[in-house]
Amino acid sequence: NAGVTQTPKFQVLKTGQSMTLQCAQDMNHEYMSWYRQDPGMGLRLIHYSVGAGITDQGEVPNGYNVSRSTTEDFPLRLLSAAPSQTSVYFCASSHPSNEQFFGPGTRLTVL
Amino acid sequence: SQQGEEDPQALSIQEGENATMNCSYKTSINNLQWYRQNSGRGLVHLILIRSNEREKHSGRLRVTLDTSKKSSSLLITASRAADTASYFCATGPIQGAQKLVFGQGTRLTINP
Repeated sequence: NAGVTQTPKFQVLKTGQSMTLQCAQDMNHEYMSWYRQDPGMGLRLIHYSVGAGITDQGEVPNGYNVSRSTTEDFPLRLLSAAPSQTSVYFCASSHPSNEQFFGPGTRLTVL
Repeated sequence: SQQGEEDPQALSIQEGENATMNCSYKTSINNLQWYRQNSGRGLVHLILIRSNEREKHSGRLRVTLDTSKKSSSLLITASRAADTASYFCATGPIQGAQKLVFGQGTRLTINP
């Protein structure tokens, strides 16, 4: 199993550009989530999904959209990038109430 | 906002010593989890302890949970240089246990 995969690993955007961060898992997990990690801080939940077709907001959802058309994939869209969105983004998946498996992260810089 | 507060923020010990990290939280939980993050990498799950459990072991790791004090501790025994990493506690709320809330982490350095 590949586990949780994320692409790209690094990305530089200009303010106002849009992009999609990809996340996929091959463990048949119902639950998937997106977090961001800023320097010296823990992770903060952006959006999450409890199954295909179901998504909900986390702690810091503004400026991001998600969709979950399949169990495997959970892309995160930045609609109009801002410097405040410079961060490292982690995708995770799990069965309900169990430990989460994290991807390797995407390091995003917005100029 | 971060629910978990970890103490200390940084810890530096000699190889072979034991390392203890503490986590406090504010609201009732379904479970509490500990993760390790090596520099520039993703998070690796260490232990999950549920609200009705008081102690759990995994190899050189021991986690305790005191729900009356809303606190948890992670003990790493006989530390090794490879244990150098940041350690995070994360709480799963009663409603929506998957919506983990992370602390700011403890940066552990093991000196050879």
